[in-house]
This record gives sequence, C-alpha cells and structure tokens, in this order.
Amino acid sequence: EPEVTQTPSHQVTQMGQEVILRCVPISNHLYFYWYRQILGQKVEFLVSFYNNEISEKSEIFDDQFSVERPDGSNFTLKIRSTKLEDSAMYFCASRRQGSVYTGELFFGEGSRLTVL
Amino acid sequence: SQQGEEDPQALSIQEGENATMNCSYKTSINNLQWYRQNSGRGLVHLILIRSNEREKHSGRLRVTLDTSKKSSSLLITASRAADTASYFCATDAGANSKLTFGKGITLSVRP
Repeated sequence: EPEVTQTPSHQVTQMGQEVILRCVPISNHLYFYWYRQILGQKVEFLVSFYNNEISEKSEIFDDQFSVERPDGSNFTLKIRSTKLEDSAMYFCASRRQGSVYTGELFFGEGSRLTVL
Repeated sequence: SQQGEEDPQALSIQEGENATMNCSYKTSINNLQWYRQNSGRGLVHLILIRSNEREKHSGRLRVTLDTSKKSSSLLITASRAADTASYFCATDAGANSKLTFGKGITLSVRP
C-alpha cells in the first residue's frame, strides 16, 4: 500500500542551525501538508501546498520556515534558524484531491526534531 | 478559534466495554474526520463523515454528526487492548483547505 515517507526519523540540532525535513508523498496525490505536534499536545497545521505554491499557512509558519517541492516526488520543510521551541514532531501529509467533499489525509510517521 | 475540541481528554475502560469520545467544533464544515495515533507514530485515518450525513459505521466504529450542535461522537464497540491510542477529530472546511485537529483523547483499554 502506498505510504508517505519521511526522513530523518529523528534529528538533533543546535539552536540557530538550519534543518531540512524531507517527505515523499504518495505519488498521485495533489495536496501536501506539514503539521507539527509538540510532545503530548495538539496537532498544529503549518502549511499546505498545491500546484507548486503555498495555498495556506498558519501563524506558526513565519519567515524562518519554507517549503519546496524541488522535483516530482520530494516535499521539504526548511527551518532556517532553529529555536528551542521548534522542538516537536513534524508530520508530512498528502491528499489525493480537493473538492467540495475532500478526503482523508495520509500521514507519514513523522520526523522528531530536538533543538538543543 | 479552536476547532475540534474533544472530550473527555482521557478515558480508561476495560476490554470489551464501549468507548465514546466526543468532539465539538465552531465553524461550518464540509466533513469531519477521526484519526488515531499510536504513541510516537503518525496519524491514521479512521472514518470520515460528510456534513450531510448523520451517522456512519465502519467495523467496530460508529460516528455521528450533529451539525446543528456542531458536535460529533466516535463510538468504539467491544474495545480491545490494541485500541489503546490517542484519537483526534479533525474538521475540514472545504476544497483545498487544511484539516484542523483537536487536542485529542487518550484512550486506555485495560486487558
């Protein structure tokens, strides 16, 4: 069964360093998302991406964050200068289509980011 | 505003009992979805109910939706220890939109 894959599974970095989290969405999906979850807390929306551009972003997704789909398969989240509060589990998700009745999201297993 | 507020926050039941989890939301939706998350893992979609549906079943899962009260419930019947997980409701406002998740309910099923 097709799945969303994320790498790395865990990354430890120093405050101020740049981090790139990678995702390979399901191949025929059109919509891509990044969410994050601070330990034990709610799943927070960061950004959605469609047709090679950001379609929506949250207040969390400030100038330190960027997303890219550099080729036909990868979808990356970059944090330019990490802060302690960026420590969280980051989930990539994809969805096949968007319509009036949209469908489920398929999530990857997440990338745990620890900022020291 | 907060969407998808679940209650209770934590639920502990005996294997074989039914588990009922509730979700309330604030704005109009096109559909509402329930997801499950095992500890440290990704979220897995369980069931989707559209705004024009009132009840839906999938195996041991039953979800209801009351758009007038802006609330949904998820019932897991004949629970098993393997159902132990966090459960999240998520609201979908429409095309090309994000899912907005609640804080989740931690379900513990005692063997």
